Amino acid sequence: EAGVAQSPRYKIIEKRQSVAFWCNPISGHATLYWYQQILGQGPKLLIQFQNNGVVDDSQLPKDRFSAERLKGVDSTLKIQPAKLEDSAVYLCASSLDPGRSNQPQHFGDGTRLSIL
Amino acid sequence: AQSVAQPEDQVNVAEGNPLTVKCTYSVSGNPYLFWYVQYPNRGLQFLLKYITGDNLVKGSYGFEAEFNKSQTSFHLKKPSALVSDSALYFCAVRAGFKPGGSYIPTFGRGTSLIVHP
Repeated sequence: EAGVAQSPRYKIIEKRQSVAFWCNPISGHATLYWYQQILGQGPKLLIQFQNNGVVDDSQLPKDRFSAERLKGVDSTLKIQPAKLEDSAVYLCASSLDPGRSNQPQHFGDGTRLSIL
Repeated sequence: AQSVAQPEDQVNVAEGNPLTVKCTYSVSGNPYLFWYVQYPNRGLQFLLKYITGDNLVKGSYGFEAEFNKSQTSFHLKKPSALVSDSALYFCAVRAGFKPGGSYIPTFGRGTSLIVHP
């Protein structure tokens, strides 16, 4: 089966600019996650979708970050405006779920964001 | 709040020797525990999970993990390390049901495993 696809792989922008990331999960996976992974740390959940509804976005900085999952498939994560501390790898993952938290997550290779 | 601790930033082991990567957790209720591996510039790959049943769980690439409820630990092990096992390893826990929501995953900081030839 095809894995989780993410684009772009790398992005360099200046602070205060905007940026968007795209994710296409594994076909049939109901749950989609966006994580922020800062260098030297574990992934931190930003937002979790189940189909096209938000399950949890408690750790999403909503003043600058937004995400959507239209039609319950692809998803985009946007940052506007970007800050220096947003430099990180943004990982997308999907899992079969819904409601069955014993399912492993399948990760894309991430987007490495550098803020100048 | 749930949490995961990986007390070692780095583990060094000689090829052919057994390896252990430690993980302890804190959670309300019964935990679902996972180990993932991350190679440079790649996403995380699932290795194994504990949901219920036998405390010793076997996973991919010869890895196994032992669930210890009394010590709230889930250490990753392999009887004989390979140089190709060198990577970053993450422990994760899911629990803490939120009404109307789902179980939220929490990851540890990661442990860098270095296997020397």
